Amino acid sequence: KAGVTQTPRYLIKTRGQQVTLSCSPISGHRSVSWYQQTPGQGLQFLFEYFSETQRNKGNFPGRFSGRQFSNSRSEMNVSTLELGDSALYLCASYRRDQETQYFGPGTRLLVL
Amino acid sequence: AQTVTQSQPEMSVQEAETVTLSCTYDTSESNYYLFWYKQPPSRQMILVIRQEAYKQQNATENRFSVNFQKAAKSFSLKISDSQLGDTAMYFCAFILDGNQFYFGTGTSLTVIP
Repeated sequence: KAGVTQTPRYLIKTRGQQVTLSCSPISGHRSVSWYQQTPGQGLQFLFEYFSETQRNKGNFPGRFSGRQFSNSRSEMNVSTLELGDSALYLCASYRRDQETQYFGPGTRLLVL
Repeated sequence: AQTVTQSQPEMSVQEAETVTLSCTYDTSESNYYLFWYKQPPSRQMILVIRQEAYKQQNATENRFSVNFQKAAKSFSLKISDSQLGDTAMYFCAFILDGNQFYFGTGTSLTVIP
């Protein structure tokens, strides 16, 4: 099976812009979670989607949003980008029978 | 509240030696799963090992094994015969009944040739 894929892998934006990141889970996995990873804050949970519904949400401002499509692919959007949004954004696909997450390679976002 | 604590921000080990990374967690639930993930310089998060809390037997995966002490809420990772490719950030994590994952802050491990 193909692993979790994320696009794009690298992104450079300027403050005030918005960005959309995409994640395709492993085939058959219906849950997708998003994390923000920065050197100072470690791995921070953004949100989790299951069957097109947001099931859990972390402590992030409303500028961060997401959605999941019927094919389980997920997107996250960040509006009005700030310098502090520069980070590695990781997507994880969840296998229920093993209670295990498998991660994608991440999208590195740099906000200038 | 659910928390995961990794008290060793950085560790090093000589190649071929054994090293143990510590992790403690806090939850009032009895049914959960514990994990160690590895993040090498490529930043790809890789599952190292998984433990079901209801199982007494410690999980092992080749050179990786855990010491799971449920009463003490401790879940340490032992890496035997350390290799240069083991150099990475290691994250301890757990999940409750299909709910959200909780991650520790990570331990940066360097294997010295």
